[in-house]
Amino acid sequence: DIQMTQSPSSLSASVGDRVTITCRASQSISNSLAWYQQKPQKAPKLLMYKASNLESGVPSRFSGSGSGTEFTLTINSLQPDDFATYYCQQYKSYPTFGQGTKVEIK
Amino acid sequence: QVQLQESGPGLVKPSETLSLTCTVSGGSISGYNWSWIRQPPGKGLEWIGYMYSSGSTNSNPSLKSRVTISRDMLKNQFSLKLTSMTAADTAVYYCARGTLLGWAGGWFDPWGQGTLVTVSS
Repeated sequence: DIQMTQSPSSLSASVGDRVTITCRASQSISNSLAWYQQKPQKAPKLLMYKASNLESGVPSRFSGSGSGTEFTLTINSLQPDDFATYYCQQYKSYPTFGQGTKVEIK
Repeated sequence: QVQLQESGPGLVKPSETLSLTCTVSGGSISGYNWSWIRQPPGKGLEWIGYMYSSGSTNSNPSLKSRVTISRDMLKNQFSLKLTSMTAADTAVYYCARGTLLGWAGGWFDPWGQGTLVTVSS
């Protein structure tokens, strides 16, 4: 199976900060990567697909990049609503997820 | 828009079989791939398996021998059976739609709200 490794596992940031989360695949997945946001007691919400395509309705402060084995999710000007846990997921092979990155308030 | 709702028991005894159903509203299950995903308390997400639009299924190799996924086109539902439950299977179970028609299924959208299943005697 393809293993996904996110870093960092958690981070503290302030409103207005720029935040970057990295996701690495154990083998090349081309651009077969999605990002999700999950808030406590809620289902994950799709943010990005095909590594850099913003899902409809998701604020433009979210952006994604990368291909092959290294990917990033960037949140420009962090907002109070963005404090959550973020997961990457590959779909090159049967689906696997990163372990998550918790974004907390500094 | 399409909405998904999981249903099933919240408590299962060790060694028993879990049965969950996902009811899809606002659209047909025909023509799409449908999946089960779980999340143990405080942990990450684990894909369980797919019901493909063709009617075939696939599941996570780590669970393969224990998983059965089926569908009822008339009721617009798909279901999960997971045998030999243990405490390690305690999790929130989600159903979700896969967005691509290949066997890897694509990204997941939308998701159901999830249902907590606890394994305990």
